[in-house]
Amino acid sequence: QVQLQESGPGLVKPSQTLSLTCTVSGGSINSGSHYWTWIRQPAGKGLEWIGRVYSGSPDYHPALKSRASISLDKSKNQFSLKLTSVTAADTAVYFCARETWQVIGTTPYNWFAPWGQGLLVTVSS
Amino acid sequence: DFQMTQSPSSLSASVGDRVTITCQASQDIATYLNWYQQKPGKSPKLLIYSASNLEAGVPSRFSGGGSGTDFSFTISSLQPEDIATYYCQQYEDLPYTFGQGTKLEI
Repeated sequence: QVQLQESGPGLVKPSQTLSLTCTVSGGSINSGSHYWTWIRQPAGKGLEWIGRVYSGSPDYHPALKSRASISLDKSKNQFSLKLTSVTAADTAVYFCARETWQVIGTTPYNWFAPWGQGLLVTVSS
Repeated sequence: DFQMTQSPSSLSASVGDRVTITCQASQDIATYLNWYQQKPGKSPKLLIYSASNLEAGVPSRFSGGGSGTDFSFTISSLQPEDIATYYCQQYEDLPYTFGQGTKLEI
């Protein structure tokens, strides 16, 4: 079955750029009806959707739109997140996930599954 | 943004108890709501999609219901392995948003 795995540095200095990659195995990133998504979770807190990419232009959380960039690398079956000008508020566990969209009849179904195991990124000097 | 409010924030129950969590949306989201389970140190796992549909392989003691702005998630007979934090999530519109979570303890 499809599996996702995050990779990247666990420590980033303030004002620098956070760069993470999600490697997809067991299936193609080119498959239809799927968006490829980043979600984060500060320690002890809830989940925040960062953004997603399909084959076209990405979608971002409005609060992060000016700093976030999500892209696909179909040749490597990977997708990536870049977040610029990071601060301590960006310290979190970052998850990549597959978003599935289906329409059955007139009813849209959508969910996140599977998820990567998560990667803790700490912003500190 | 659609605000999702879960209650309670935490819940202590006993094995075999029936447990119900509620999730309220700030606007009508029809049935565009999912429920996830997150165990400590793990990534979230999809349990229920579109408010009431059980994900394949998920035990039948889990169920969900509701539409519009008010939703519920129920564990019919709590098991020790159900200790986790549970999140609702709306997909009516971007940005997708999650509830703040309900931490379930035994």
